[in-house]
Parts: sequence; structure tokens; C-alpha cells
Amino acid sequence: DGGITQSPKYLFRKEGQNVTLSCEQNLNHDAMYWYRQDPGQGLRLIYYSQIVNDFQKGDIAEGYSVSREKKESFPLTVTSAQKNPTAFYLCASSMGQAPYGYTFGSGTRLTVV
Amino acid sequence: AQRVTQPEKLLSVFKGAPVELKCNYSYSGSPELFWYVQYSRQRLQLLLRHISRESIKGFTADLNKGETSFHLKKPFAQEEDSAMYYCALAPLSGGYNKLIFGAGTRLAVHP
Repeated sequence: DGGITQSPKYLFRKEGQNVTLSCEQNLNHDAMYWYRQDPGQGLRLIYYSQIVNDFQKGDIAEGYSVSREKKESFPLTVTSAQKNPTAFYLCASSMGQAPYGYTFGSGTRLTVV
Repeated sequence: AQRVTQPEKLLSVFKGAPVELKCNYSYSGSPELFWYVQYSRQRLQLLLRHISRESIKGFTADLNKGETSFHLKKPFAQEEDSAMYYCALAPLSGGYNKLIFGAGTRLAVHP
């Protein structure tokens, strides 16, 4: 069953800790994206990657880091430098450039305790 | 600046009534525009794309370059249309490499 898988579904982080959110796709899509979803603000782009070993910052990259060592995987690390990390995080992928439309994962809800 | 504005946070209608979800964009070039939908407990999914000029689940959207709008319309709302709707823009700069989303409008269709 082709798709995009995010894990875990829920994640709790203590202040000062780094956490990594997983995103894996088996759609053979070239491009992958990370968005943050907050109530009333829609989706804001954190990082995106069009090819393996290359990625670009989005609009709110501060306090986040990513890697793209494999085509299938695009993990996001939320570092302790992120001032307000509690949010819903969505990963997406697309076949090529954005006009083909995105396929989204089911999301990870991160809560800082 | 590239921006997508959805002026209504909530749109509440009765079943069978017409629906129009508003979307305005700010972009100097020729954008590609999309509508995405998120039903309760489901993933965000593509509803329709401007580029394909299709009608999905009875919804249509027309790009009005003069008014920089891409409003989503349906002549007769159904209860199953209740969901969160996001308008999104893919700017040409950089080769359409990312989507810019609006804040979303929640559509509530009452029986």
C-alpha cells in the first residue's frame, strides 16, 4: 500500500531536549516537505527537499533541522532552540514540482511538557 | 510578498444551500492554485487543481486573475462536505517548488 508514513503520532518532549520526527514515503516521490500546522495560521513551511542530499529552508526554519540521505526518508529534528515547538507537524511529498499536488502524512502532534 | 488569504475562519450553511469558500492571493506572476480538504480524522488531501480545471465532488473553482481570487463553489452543500478547506498557491519562482497555504476555512453543513 503506497503512501507516506509519519511516526510517532504523538510525541512529548521535555524543555531543552531535541526530538526527531520520522517521515517515510514509498511513492517514489522526488520532493518532500515539512509543514507546521497551528490553529488559525494554516500550514507554514519549515523545510523542503527536491532531491537526495539537498534541502532548503522554508519560512520558519529556525530551531529545526532536516536531512535527506535517502529518497524515501526526510526526518525533522526539533531542537531546543525552537521557542514554541508545541504544534502539529505534517510531512508531504510530491512527484516532482508542486503543481502535481502533495500527498500528506497523517501528522505528528508534538507537545512540550 | 506571496500570500494566500482565506477571510472566513468558519462558514456555516444548511444542507442544499450554495457554498462559496473565498480565497484571494497575492503574487505578481502566474500561479498554480489548489484547494485541499481535511475531513474529520483524515489526512489533508488534494481536492482540485486549477491546472486541471476539474470538478471534484461537485466543487469547482475559477481563477480570476483580475481579482486575484480562486473561490471554491458548490451549488448544493451536503453534510459530508463538512471539513476544513485550505487554498494553496504554487509560485512559479524557483520552479513551483513549494506550496503556500492559507489559514483555512471550516465549512459546517447543517441538516
